[in-house]
Amino acid sequence: EVQLVESGGGLVQPGGSLRLSCAASGFTVSSNYMNWVRQAPGKGLEWVSLLYAGGSTYYADSVKGRFTISRDNSKNTLYLQMNSLRAEDTAVYYCARLTSGYLRDWGQGTLVTVSS
Amino acid sequence: EIVLTQSPATLSLSPGERATLSCRASQTVSNYLAWYQQKPGQAPRLLIYDASDRATGIPARFSGSGSGTDFTLTISSLEPEDFAVYYCQQRSNWPPLTFGGGTKVEIK
Repeated sequence: EVQLVESGGGLVQPGGSLRLSCAASGFTVSSNYMNWVRQAPGKGLEWVSLLYAGGSTYYADSVKGRFTISRDNSKNTLYLQMNSLRAEDTAVYYCARLTSGYLRDWGQGTLVTVSS
Repeated sequence: EIVLTQSPATLSLSPGERATLSCRASQTVSNYLAWYQQKPGQAPRLLIYDASDRATGIPARFSGSGSGTDFTLTISSLEPEDFAVYYCQQRSNWPPLTFGGGTKVEIK
């Protein structure tokens, strides 16, 4: 059974940093296209970042230069390092597996709140 | 970046009624469009991919149609568990993956 479990969310001050984790089971992270998608409170879905199986990375313009997506193959875990956080980064962050261009498997999400 | 516009923003219907949701793309996406359902406090769930193919385990009352720039999600007869927010997403030109703004189907 495919499972994705996010962790690492919490309250952080503007300008601070946070690292999110997404532990996967039932498949191999390094063989798949893995994504982070976020949802601000009461708002819609926003794609954040993509890590290709081959290692290429892509980011939304809103986070480029501040966020870094990575993985640890030995732990079968995806990460999102978030630096220089802003109030507008407040959201539930989901990790999701992309299969044939669509997000078929999602985690339950982890809430990041950026506030002083 | 391809922009997806969903309408209406809110659809107020009764159980048993037919729901018709629209998603329009700013440029052609061929048939590379998906629909997701999201209930409060839950992650989105893939319903339809490639415009008209149902994902695994999705009931037959959900159907998708369209190609190019105009797409429709139809729920033939609303069940109580279908009241939720629905998003479309394109994979024609990515990254970035883009989503529509969502349509909330609420109980009338």
